[in-house]
Amino acid sequence: GAGVSQSPSNKVTEKGKDVELRCDPISGHTALYWYRQSLGQGLEFLIYFQGNSAPDKSGLPSDRFSAERTGGSVSTLTIQRTQQEDSAVYLCASSSQGPLMNTEAFFGQGTRLTVV
Amino acid sequence: GENVEQHPSTLSVQEGDSAVIKCTYSDSASNYFPWYKQELGKRPQLIIDIRSNVGEKKDQRIAVTLNKTAKHFSLHITETQPEDSAVYFCAASIRGSQGNLIFGKGTKLSVKP
Repeated sequence: GAGVSQSPSNKVTEKGKDVELRCDPISGHTALYWYRQSLGQGLEFLIYFQGNSAPDKSGLPSDRFSAERTGGSVSTLTIQRTQQEDSAVYLCASSSQGPLMNTEAFFGQGTRLTVV
Repeated sequence: GENVEQHPSTLSVQEGDSAVIKCTYSDSASNYFPWYKQELGKRPQLIIDIRSNVGEKKDQRIAVTLNKTAKHFSLHITETQPEDSAVYFCAASIRGSQGNLIFGKGTKLSVKP
């Protein structure tokens, strides 16, 4: 497909379990973003990858959250020891920008995480 | 950290009226300001963007203005239609982070027929 793909689309997990959320960006896009959107709320920045540069992790809410981007393509967001307040839609976006010129960021459909 | 403030959080207008949403940003080096529209249950999609080398950009019924001195930018929708009802997000690039995008908290626009 031509768009940003996220999996799974829905995830229900028990409190205390670890989860992994996957993002397949558009091929060739160097920039990749993760955001969290709680019900009816805004887009909370989590982490940003740009090419081979060190990622901007300043938005990660706690050390239970981490993300990787392997080979400059697929990214995985990991949440350890999930808590109920982690329940939200996790959105991934990618863009073709270089470090000096922003271009349109395309969003995936999101992963709806529910911690019970 | 860098911050983007967006107002109002909710906006209700009559069909045919204009709607204006305003955002301010804190990073004076920001140079890219996109606006996204998110319909219920769908992903955010870009509707218009502006770069710091221009003060205004129009696309049919939508326009964005930028005031770099005051560090604020606005979205203007004219002749609103019911299908304009959605949540709108502004964003600003963070140059110190090589182009990271920070979003405002969103404005829920309702257009009443």
